[in-house]
Amino acid sequence: NAGVTQTPKFQVLKTGQSMTLQCAQDMNHNSMYWYRQDPGMGLRLIYYSASEGTTDKGEVPNGYNVSRLNKREFSLRLESAAPSQTSVYFCASSLGGRTEAFFGQGTRLTVV
Amino acid sequence: AQSVTQPDIHITVSEGASLELRCNYSYGATPYLFWYVQSPGQGLQLLLKYFSGDTLVQGIKGFEAEFKRSQSSFNLRKPSVHWSDAAEYFCAVGWGFMDTGRRALTFGSGTRLQVQP
Repeated sequence: NAGVTQTPKFQVLKTGQSMTLQCAQDMNHNSMYWYRQDPGMGLRLIYYSASEGTTDKGEVPNGYNVSRLNKREFSLRLESAAPSQTSVYFCASSLGGRTEAFFGQGTRLTVV
Repeated sequence: AQSVTQPDIHITVSEGASLELRCNYSYGATPYLFWYVQSPGQGLQLLLKYFSGDTLVQGIKGFEAEFKRSQSSFNLRKPSVHWSDAAEYFCAVGWGFMDTGRRALTFGSGTRLQVQP
């Protein structure tokens, strides 16, 4: 019963490098989300996908791109990493509408 | 714009004491409300949720929360805290798509709970 799976769990990047964070859910959820967590700021929404084939910007989308590959998978790409993107990234999914979100274990990203 | 405020950044209580964590939201419409808990190095786990109906909701691990529309609050309570409750707690709020055009939860900044023996 995996739920929401994120890879990798840890990553160190150099400034300017690119990478893709992977997320997959096995709960047949319609909606998926990417949040970043920074100390004292809670979780801030980067992008979300309300349903397969759609994506929308959240509060802090600059420097990121997303792809909803299929109903199960939602990836987050950093094209040119910056130290300000050092954070813990969480993927989440939900059925949509008035339902709770289920979270992955997070990816701790450090950009040096 | 909608927002969620958790005014207490850090709270310390003694084991066995009661606990109340505060959460206030800012928006005119009736939201749906959640409390999540995060242990160190872990993801977020849902404690409880409120959508409608009875304003006092029960959750896992002995937690409860009360929705007070007049105060725009959804405070989390536990009558007797255990050492294993030490964690960070997040209040989250969602609004209908028709209200905000967004189908995602907005989170507060979190309250870190420390439990003294």
